[in-house]
Amino acid sequence: GQQVMQIPQYQHVQEGEDFTTYCNSSTTLSNIQWYKQRPGGHPVFLIQLVKSGEVKKQKRLTFQFGEAKKNSSLHITATQTTDVGTYFCAAGYSTLTFGKGTMLLVSP
Amino acid sequence: DAGVTQSPTHLIKTRGQQVTLRCSPKSGHDTVSWYQQALGQGPQFIFQYYEEEERQRGNFPDRFSGHQFPNYSSELNVNALLLGDSALYLCASSLVRTQTGELFFGEGSRLTVL
Repeated sequence: GQQVMQIPQYQHVQEGEDFTTYCNSSTTLSNIQWYKQRPGGHPVFLIQLVKSGEVKKQKRLTFQFGEAKKNSSLHITATQTTDVGTYFCAAGYSTLTFGKGTMLLVSP
Repeated sequence: DAGVTQSPTHLIKTRGQQVTLRCSPKSGHDTVSWYQQALGQGPQFIFQYYEEEERQRGNFPDRFSGHQFPNYSSELNVNALLLGDSALYLCASSLVRTQTGELFFGEGSRLTVL
């Protein structure tokens, strides 16, 4: 089955700094979904990428899917304290394989 | 429009006991999936139910079983609990015909096995 690795495991930034998390697979992926889980909360869907080289933006968040469909990234510009949480990439459709996530801490 | 609801939110059991967790999917959704999330890990797929049948199953032992009812709600049962079963159990609902594949997760049931 599809497996995904995420780096870094953890990142602590000052408010206003940028943040990037990377998702990698040894096999070609059909798609990538990104979820955010706030501390004590549940995963919330952010976006799905399907096409090779696809780039999507949501306000300060930029999502990319690699040309080979083996990697993806999530970049947050000018982080805010509300961005705190763990960001997961996941492969598949209704039965997802999740990465271990990147925990983001933002200091004011 | 109610989202995904799960019960109970927290529970404590002892080794060897059995537990039943419940989930009501988002209104209009017909597919329910269950995930186990250990502390500090990503959710891990247990199984998926559609049309009252288990359609797909992850790498979990037979101690984990489930059911889907005609109203699309679902139960997850775990028998002979082990300490390692302590985790957040997440229910996710979706619509089989959806184009996005987006899952809607409930708040989860946090199980502690002592």
